[in-house]
Amino acid sequence: GDSVTQMEGPVTLSEEAFLTINCTYTATGYPSLFWYVQYPGEGLQLLLKATKADDKGSNKGFEATYRKETTSFHLEKGSVQVSDSAVYFCALRWDTGRRALTFGSGTRLQVQP
Amino acid sequence: KAGVTQTPRYLIKTRGQQVTLSCSPISGHRSVSWYQQTPGQGLQFLFEYFSETQRNKGNFPGRFSGRQFSNSRSEMNVSTLELGDSALYLCASSFRTSGSSYNEQFFGPGTRLTVL
Repeated sequence: GDSVTQMEGPVTLSEEAFLTINCTYTATGYPSLFWYVQYPGEGLQLLLKATKADDKGSNKGFEATYRKETTSFHLEKGSVQVSDSAVYFCALRWDTGRRALTFGSGTRLQVQP
Repeated sequence: KAGVTQTPRYLIKTRGQQVTLSCSPISGHRSVSWYQQTPGQGLQFLFEYFSETQRNKGNFPGRFSGRQFSNSRSEMNVSTLELGDSALYLCASSFRTSGSSYNEQFFGPGTRLTVL
């Protein structure tokens, strides 16, 4: 079945450092890919998405490119802030049939001032 | 536009009891999905309702059930609670259509269930 694998956390960075959180998926075909963020005590917020291969999703300085050759969707940000501290989830979803999101295990990011 | 609301936000129950959680989707959204979040299993899909009908179901026992009303509000029920049911239960709504277009899911803040 479908699965999403994320790098283990926590990831601890200093403010203004470069961020990469790796995400790879296993699926038959090309699902839509997402990054969600969860701040303490809150639900999930969609951070960015890509619905087809080679698409780049971007939002709030975060970017991720859908790479079908490596079945990856790595999240990057050039300069993190303390306010980016949260848990980040990579996910995939099919747009027809079973439309449920399949999530990775999440990666906690801690940004220190 | 109001977001997805879930009630109650926190709940404490004991083993063997049953519980009902409620979710009100964003106005105009007709699809509601439920997810369970635990430290051990992560985020797992429970079920999706669209137009008052269950459309998809995850791999959970029959103790977990749900329904959707004509106003798109949804409830999920867990009977005979077990300690392992302690989790954050998240509801997500979307403007689902029958076609293949992408419809973003918007998540509520969740209901934190603790089973003692």
